[in-house]
Amino acid sequence: DVKVTQSSRYLVKRTGEKVFLECVQDMDHENMFWYRQDPGLGLRLIYFSYDVKMKEKGDIPEGYSVSREKKERFSLILESASTNQTSMYLCASSLTLSGTGELFFGEGSRLTVL
Amino acid sequence: DQQVKQNSPSLSVQEGRISILNCDYTNSMFDYFLWYKKYPAEGPTFLISISSIKDKNEDGRFTVFLNKSAKHLSLHIVPSQPGDSAVYFCAASGGWGGGADGLTFGKGTHLIIQP
Repeated sequence: DVKVTQSSRYLVKRTGEKVFLECVQDMDHENMFWYRQDPGLGLRLIYFSYDVKMKEKGDIPEGYSVSREKKERFSLILESASTNQTSMYLCASSLTLSGTGELFFGEGSRLTVL
Repeated sequence: DQQVKQNSPSLSVQEGRISILNCDYTNSMFDYFLWYKKYPAEGPTFLISISSIKDKNEDGRFTVFLNKSAKHLSLHIVPSQPGDSAVYFCAASGGWGGGADGLTFGKGTHLIIQP
């Protein structure tokens, strides 16, 4: 089974702090994604990566950056956390050229910014 | 502009009856559609999918119907069980369907199965 592991299930940070969310997948997937889930807004794509050191902006990249130094690891960085970044963050991975678009999600990281 | 719409934020169904969750899309380039199920404090899990070349796909109690001309799909759950209570997300991928740029998700429908 594919396993996508997110390093922290729950975090509480203060406004202005730098936040790192780590994600590791164990199935040699090419593509990795960061989404955030908010009530009434569904899942929105922040950034994605289709290869090591490659990254592309999703629908809501403002206030975020990402890093993919190794194929299995995709990090989401909040340079200066703000209260409107309080959310559930979901990492996902998928095979390239799968034709199905099926994503495998981690369990999520719930971030609260005070 | 929402490209994938789930117009019912919540749906309550009696145990044993049919649950029907609806989804509409606007982008005619979408060619693959998926349903994900999400429990609280967990990541979404894949439930069932359908390619645009089909109009129906069935997997056990779950059936997805696609009406391309209406840009509408629906998920049927028969019979509904208490463990089906969750948020269901409709998602779509487009272009060559490789999924490399992720999926476009609807806002979700919270299905509640009443005993």
